[in-house]
Amino acid sequence: GESVGLHLPTLSVQEGDNSIINCAYSNSASDYFIWYKQESGKGPQFIIDIRSNMDKRQGQRVTVLLNKTVKHLSLQIAATQPGDSAVYFCAEGGAGGKLIFGQGTELSVKP
Amino acid sequence: NAGVTQTPKFRILKIGQSMTLQCTQDMNHNYMYWYRQDPGMGLKLIYYSVGAGITDKGEVPNGYNVSRSTTEDFPLRLELAAPSQTSVYFCASSSGLSRELFFGEGSRLTVL
Repeated sequence: GESVGLHLPTLSVQEGDNSIINCAYSNSASDYFIWYKQESGKGPQFIIDIRSNMDKRQGQRVTVLLNKTVKHLSLQIAATQPGDSAVYFCAEGGAGGKLIFGQGTELSVKP
Repeated sequence: NAGVTQTPKFRILKIGQSMTLQCTQDMNHNYMYWYRQDPGMGLKLIYYSVGAGITDKGEVPNGYNVSRSTTEDFPLRLELAAPSQTSVYFCASSSGLSRELFFGEGSRLTVL
C-alpha cells in the first residue's frame, strides 16, 4: 500500500548550519511531493513542492531533492535559524487530490 | 480573507456521543480535506472532497462521515464517539491548480 516515512524522528543542528531532512516514499505513481512545516499548536504550513518530473527545486533558503530511483525525498535548509525549529512533514499526492503525509521529523536549532 | 475556519477549537465528548466539526473556507477552493493528528504523529487523511457533491475516503475513514453540499463548507461528523477518536483534527483546502494546502488552526477533541 501507499506509505510515506521519514528516516529520522529528530534532528538537532547548530544555528547557521545547514539542515537536511529525509523522507522515503513507496508509491511510484505519486505526481508531486510537498514539504510542510508545523510549529507547536498550529496547523501545517506549506514550504515547497516538487513535481515527479523534476529532480530539484529551490526556494528561499530551502531546496527539495527528489530521487525517484530510490524513492527518496529530502529538504535542505540553508543557514538554519532558531525560527526553523518545528516538525517537518513530507507528503505525496497524485491524481484525484489525495495527499498522504509522513510521520514527521522534529528539527531543533541550537543557538 | 479568513482562510480556513474550524469550529469548535476544543471539545470534550463522552463515549457514544455524536458531534460535527465545522469547516468553512472563503477562498473558493474546490479541494477540501480532513486530517487527524495524534500526539507526536503525522497527519492521517480521513476524508477529502474535490468539489461540491463529491467526497472520498482517505486512510482512516471509519467512525466518520462527511458531506459537501457547498464549495465553502465541509463538515466532519463523528457518530458514536470512541476514545480512539481523541485527536487534533485539521481541515484544509486547496485550489487544485496549486498543490498548496491551506490549513485551519485545528480542533482538539477529547473523548472520555
